Amino acid sequence: DSGVTQTPKHLITATGQRVTLRCSPRSGDLSVYWYQQSLDQGLQFLIQYYNGEERAKGNILERFSAQQFPDLHSELNLSSLELGDSALYFCASSATRGQQETQYFGPGTRLLVL
Amino acid sequence: AQSVAQPEDQVNVAEGNPLTVKCTYSVSGNPYLFWYVQYPNRGLQFLLKYITGDNLVKGSYGFEAEFNKSQTSFHLKKPSALVSDSALYFCAVRDVWASKIIFGSGTRLSIRP
Repeated sequence: DSGVTQTPKHLITATGQRVTLRCSPRSGDLSVYWYQQSLDQGLQFLIQYYNGEERAKGNILERFSAQQFPDLHSELNLSSLELGDSALYFCASSATRGQQETQYFGPGTRLLVL
Repeated sequence: AQSVAQPEDQVNVAEGNPLTVKCTYSVSGNPYLFWYVQYPNRGLQFLLKYITGDNLVKGSYGFEAEFNKSQTSFHLKKPSALVSDSALYFCAVRDVWASKIIFGSGTRLSIRP
């Protein structure tokens, strides 16, 4: 158990809908990262937050957004969902924003868009 | 631009034999290199990392990795494979100037009894 929790574990929704994925980092970790894992794209970095502020952006679509709250939990919002958004979404956390920091991953949220 | 390559989609090894999972990287500055493992229906678990110092890094579950600067490689190794090592392995790289970590495409390791 990494100490990172993600809810829900599974999500089934329809195209055009909007969903929110939630992540609670390990106790004391200030950085939160979001990743998308799909069969064709592999593991793609989406976005990083550090202590409530956006720190780095990866291949995140404009339909997707995220935020980190004062209690350090984070939410990833996915809107206008398309079939291709079906994937496993991981959250990870690290203690600081340092480049050498180890990231600890949550169990993931499996999203299926029908 | 930084990148990481795992040239083998799948590696098959007999239990008890040594295993190697290959990784090569490209970064503009000094690399920070990581190996993660993903078991079925689970998140990624950290195995080991190279930041600086000894080229041979020891990690969890008996795994180790050798950093080779001239060959820009960071291969994962284990002297004696176990069936329970069967999983998906990811190499990842970050350089001093990068704000994000890049993961390789993953290598599926299959250990046969």
